[in-house]
Amino acid sequence: EVQLQESGPGLVKPSQSLSLTCSVTGYSITSTYWGWIRKFPGNKMEWMGYISYSASTSYNPSLKSRISITRDTSKNQFFLQLNSVTTEDTATYYCARWGGFFDYWGQGVMVTVSS
Amino acid sequence: DIQMTQSPVSLSGSLEEIVTITCKASQGIDDYLSWYQQKPGKSPQLLIYDATSLADGVPSRFSGSRSGTQYSLKISRPQVDDSGIYYCLQSYSTTWTFGGGTKLELK
Repeated sequence: EVQLQESGPGLVKPSQSLSLTCSVTGYSITSTYWGWIRKFPGNKMEWMGYISYSASTSYNPSLKSRISITRDTSKNQFFLQLNSVTTEDTATYYCARWGGFFDYWGQGVMVTVSS
Repeated sequence: DIQMTQSPVSLSGSLEEIVTITCKASQGIDDYLSWYQQKPGKSPQLLIYDATSLADGVPSRFSGSRSGTQYSLKISRPQVDDSGIYYCLQSYSTTWTFGGGTKLELK
């Protein structure tokens, strides 16, 4: 069974970097695409970006140069880094598998940006 | 970016009705449209992909359709367990965008 699990700090200070890990079991991240999505308070959802089976990436332009998605195939993990965070980055962050649609999701990790 | 205008924002349904949620795309998206249900405290779950295809394990009371650039999710004879927030997602353009969400409450 495919399972994804996000991990990382729940509290980040403004101007610092947010770093999250998505650990995948039951499926190789060298296959298909793997994405990051966030849900803001108030229910708005935003696609942040993805990393492909070949390690190519695509990012939401709204995140400009702040975002980076990388991977470690030896651990079957992929990562999100979001730089220069503000309080507006407070959200629940999800990782998910993409095969033309998001069919498997992690349980989500709530991240609060606050001093 | 392609805008996905989802309506209604909230909906209280009866178990006897057909519930319809719509997403209107700001331009053609060639059926690159999926629907998700999110229950409180849970991660989103795929319902429909490619606008009309039912995901594995999803009850047949859920269905998807398209008319022009408007996409619809219908729930026939909804169950109380169908309460939650529903989202559409377009993946046609290089920037994928979600609809604003519809909160469905069933009693």
